[in-house]
Amino acid sequence: DTAVSQTPKYLVTQMGNDKSIKCEQNLGHDTMYWYKQDSKKFLKIMFSYNNKELIINETVPNRFSPKSPDKAHLNLHINSLELGDSAVYFCASSQQLGGRGGEQYFGPGTRLTVT
Amino acid sequence: GENVEQHPSTLSVQEGDSAVIKCTYSDSASNYFPWYKQELGKGPQLIIDIRSNVGEKKDQRIAVTLNKTAKHFSLHITETQPEDSAVYFCAAGGYQKVTFGTGTKLQVIP
Repeated sequence: DTAVSQTPKYLVTQMGNDKSIKCEQNLGHDTMYWYKQDSKKFLKIMFSYNNKELIINETVPNRFSPKSPDKAHLNLHINSLELGDSAVYFCASSQQLGGRGGEQYFGPGTRLTVT
Repeated sequence: GENVEQHPSTLSVQEGDSAVIKCTYSDSASNYFPWYKQELGKGPQLIIDIRSNVGEKKDQRIAVTLNKTAKHFSLHITETQPEDSAVYFCAAGGYQKVTFGTGTKLQVIP
């Protein structure tokens, strides 16, 4: 059973389109995250949710809207896609927020390509 | 906020040699220091972590050291093997957030 799963694995779309990435964790964790990894491999946090509540929004454009329908799911919707949005997006989860939460479990990633 | 610097950005070693990756952090409130390994096409995976009340931790060929006074911590891999080739990330965890370093691409040459 996959601990953190994401769909789709690959997403190719044109500028201006709207797309969504879904994430689910079956670990019973309270906290979920979205990270963006660019071509230089930098791993940057975008959002974190704790018990379905938004905790961290790291100055991400408001074209990105996360939604957590329940503790096990954290989806990412992106409006009006731009070339600079091309990256690999990782979902992750941990027992609690921050350092108290210990290990973060990462999904396999979604490679988004905007043309 | 927390700032984590990681060096070197790339590292090549011969199989069997040791590899050392170093990180510094800025926020003295950080108390959790994990290391992640990311293989090609996969998500990062935890390989070892240390909390601020411990100075050193070892797990087989991997060890991590922490110097709280100097705010730096290091990953040591001994007897490197080709399967150790990957990107390694350090991170520093505080109350609400874990901040990742910029990554080190390790290449182990057979």
